[in-house]
Amino acid sequence: NAGVTQTPKFQVLKTGQSMTLQCAQDMNHNSMYWYRQDPGMGLRLIYYSASEGTTDKGEVPNGYNVSRLNKREFSLRLESAAPSQTSVYFCASMVTAPLSNQPQHFGDGTRLSIL
Amino acid sequence: AQKITQTQPGMFVQEKEAVTLDCTYDTSDPSYGLFWYKQPSSGEMIFLIYQGSYDQQNATEGRYSLNFQKARKSANLVISASQLGDSAMYFCAMREWGNQFYFGTGTSLTVIP
Repeated sequence: NAGVTQTPKFQVLKTGQSMTLQCAQDMNHNSMYWYRQDPGMGLRLIYYSASEGTTDKGEVPNGYNVSRLNKREFSLRLESAAPSQTSVYFCASMVTAPLSNQPQHFGDGTRLSIL
Repeated sequence: AQKITQTQPGMFVQEKEAVTLDCTYDTSDPSYGLFWYKQPSSGEMIFLIYQGSYDQQNATEGRYSLNFQKARKSANLVISASQLGDSAMYFCAMREWGNQFYFGTGTSLTVIP
């Protein structure tokens, strides 16, 4: 089972460059999420998508855009990368239910460095 | 206000001993779920245990148990018989009604041989 697949695993960018982080899940989950993880700050939600065709801002959306391409795929785009966006990015997916015991399933992360 | 607070940045435990990792939460929703995740040095997030706000019993999963004190809004993770492989970051998370999760800042656990 692939679960949640993120690409790339590592990336180095120069300030001002753009790039898209890809995420795909094969668990037929409706909800998908993008987080960033910085030392001492835990995981902070950037954007999420409760279902195909919908996206919502999380705690730290500035400087990012997302696309829910279809049920399986949820991409995160940095239009003009800044050093403050150096982080580890995690994609997650989840069964959508009003309140369930289902956890989020995470990809392995993308380590992004911006010089 | 922080939704999830983990006040122990780092913890040490002797191998084979039990350890408690603290988590307090803040919500006004009557329905919510609490989750614990483990993040080893390799970086992946591993789901450990879940506790629902209406669950009468404390959750247990193998060596993991959750000490749920609803009135105090705490959901502490207890790891019994610690193993070297338990050394990792541990995150507490909460889901209220809806699809958002809120994570704490984590506790780094080191198991000493």
